[in-house]
Parts: sequence; structure tokens; C-alpha cells
Amino acid sequence: ILNVEQSPQSLHVQEGDSTNFTCSFPSSNFYALHWYRWETAKSPEALFVMTLNGDEKKKGRISATLNTKEGYSYLYIKGSQPEDSATYLCAFKVFRSGNTGKLIFGQGTTLQVKP
Amino acid sequence: DAGVIQSPRHEVTEMGQEVTLRCKPISGHNSLFWYRQTMMRGLELLIYFNNNVPIDDSGMPEDRFSAKMPNASFSTLKIQPSEPRDSAVYFCASSRDNGNSPLHFGNGTRLTVT
Repeated sequence: ILNVEQSPQSLHVQEGDSTNFTCSFPSSNFYALHWYRWETAKSPEALFVMTLNGDEKKKGRISATLNTKEGYSYLYIKGSQPEDSATYLCAFKVFRSGNTGKLIFGQGTTLQVKP
Repeated sequence: DAGVIQSPRHEVTEMGQEVTLRCKPISGHNSLFWYRQTMMRGLELLIYFNNNVPIDDSGMPEDRFSAKMPNASFSTLKIQPSEPRDSAVYFCASSRDNGNSPLHFGNGTRLTVT
């Protein structure tokens, strides 16, 4: 059974705080790791897709790192703003021959940023 | 690009009825995914297709659930007969290359079975 764990489950921070969350995934048969941002009443939107150990990606104040050998990825938000309030999902794609591996989502970390 | 289009947005039906959810992926995307969102399990993969062929349907909960993709621009998820525990939001998503590129999600169908 493939397990993708995210922590913490929820997080409340003040505007201006920097924060980070963790995504843990199986360290074997790794293919790709995705991060999505999911605002209430909307659909998930992709932030990053990472494939290489040591990858670091950045989009504005949001960045992510990847460690495939130990099976974790961190998502960082610098100087949180109220509009960053959302659920952040990671998804692990398992390697399977013929590019047929499935994409499994974690339960998400829900971030609330107070003004 | 219109994005992934799902219909209906909301569906309310009685237990025992057949329900059909529809999805039109983004043109040029060759992979299509059906996910179900519940409070208990989050986003749960039901089935996915690559080039219209079902690759993995191990997430389909029971024989009451079936999915088809007759062509590259259309997929259906059918529940027959429906039960109250099927109530959830069902998302369809597509990607260019089976998840090596980001998934693009539709707006979801909120299903309520009474």
C-alpha cells in the first residue's frame, strides 16, 4: 500500500510569518512528486512537479525541496499572506514500467493566515 | 483553453438510481484521472486512463462503479445503483503525460445520494 503522509494536518500563522510543511512518501520506486494548492470552493492548482533528488523549485514566495533518498519534500512559504490560506497537497507518482505508475495524494496541510 | 470541463456541477439523486458523471479533458492531454474527495480519505484515486485505455482501476470501490473513455475528449464515471455512502465530490483531471506534468483539475461534481 502506497502511503503519502503530510504534516502538520493544519497550521495557523500570523501574516508575515514564514512557514513550512512536510510531505513523506516511499523512498523506493520514486518517479515524481507534485505539490498543489487548493483553495476553498475551487479545484487544486499545480505549484510544482519535481523529479530529481535535491531539486529545489520556487514560485514567488513559495518554494519546495525534494529528498528522494529519504522520502520527503518540504514546502516553504516566506512572509505568509492571508491569500496564502488554502490546503496544500502533495502527490507521489510511483515508478512503474511503461510510465503507468499512479499518482497518490496525501491528505493535505490546511494553512490559515491571520491578518 | 477552457480547461477540464465536468458536468453536472451538482447531482442529487435517490438511493438506487443510476448516476453518470461526465468529463472533457484538455485537448492534447493523453491522461485522464478520476478522483473522489471525502472528509475521511481526502483525494482518492478511482481510476486513470492513458491514451483512452484504463491503466489502473484498483481504486474503484465496487462493481457498482464503472468508467469509460470512448475517445480522447470524453470520459464518464457511472454509479449503478447509487448509495448514500457514494456522496462526495468527484474530480476529473487530465495531464499531458500521465502525471509527469501537472494535473489540471475540473471543478468537480458534488454528488448527494439520499
